[in-house]
Amino acid sequence: EVQLVQSGAEVKKPGESLRISCEGSGYSFSNYWITWVRQTPGKGLEWMGRINPRDSYANYSPSFEGHVTFSVDKSVSTAYLQWSSLKASDTAQYYCARVRVNGNYLDFDYWGQGTLVTVSS
Amino acid sequence: DIQMTQSPSSLSASVGDRVTITCRASQGISAYLNWYQQKPGKAPKLLIHGTISVQSGVPSRFSGSGSGTDFILTISSLQPEDFATYYCQQTYNTPFTFGPGTKVDIK
Repeated sequence: EVQLVQSGAEVKKPGESLRISCEGSGYSFSNYWITWVRQTPGKGLEWMGRINPRDSYANYSPSFEGHVTFSVDKSVSTAYLQWSSLKASDTAQYYCARVRVNGNYLDFDYWGQGTLVTVSS
Repeated sequence: DIQMTQSPSSLSASVGDRVTITCRASQGISAYLNWYQQKPGKAPKLLIHGTISVQSGVPSRFSGSGSGTDFILTISSLQPEDFATYYCQQTYNTPFTFGPGTKVDIK
């Protein structure tokens, strides 16, 4: 059974750093890109970018580039989303998902359960 | 960026009703359109991919249609477990973008 399991909720202060994780199981982790999606009540679902576990190549949505970093550790089938300096506006639910490529089409077929990040002074 | 809109933003329906949700893209996206269902406190779940293909395990009462800029998700006979929020997503261009969602609740 394919599963993506994310790390638990976090409460941080502005300016602090944070790394959250997403562990894949039940499939060949290196064969599927991992994507990250932010969800807030105000802006809904926002695609942040994706990373290829095979070579760690990542591309970022312009809205997030420079503010977050994706990484992977293939040895433990885990992807990471990292901030070096959090802002209050980073408060959100964050999801990882597996990217499936089906012919010319692409979708997010399995999702993690989400990680709630709260940034408050 | 490609903007996605959905209508209606919410609807009330009864069990057994036929429900249609519309999604429109700000430019042509061919058939690069997916639909997701999200229940409160849960992650989105893939329902329809490539505009018309029903994801494995999803009931056949869900169907998708459209091309270009206009797309429709249809639930042929609404069931109690279908009360949720539905999102469309384009994967024609990055950044991939989602619609704002349509909340389906009980009349």
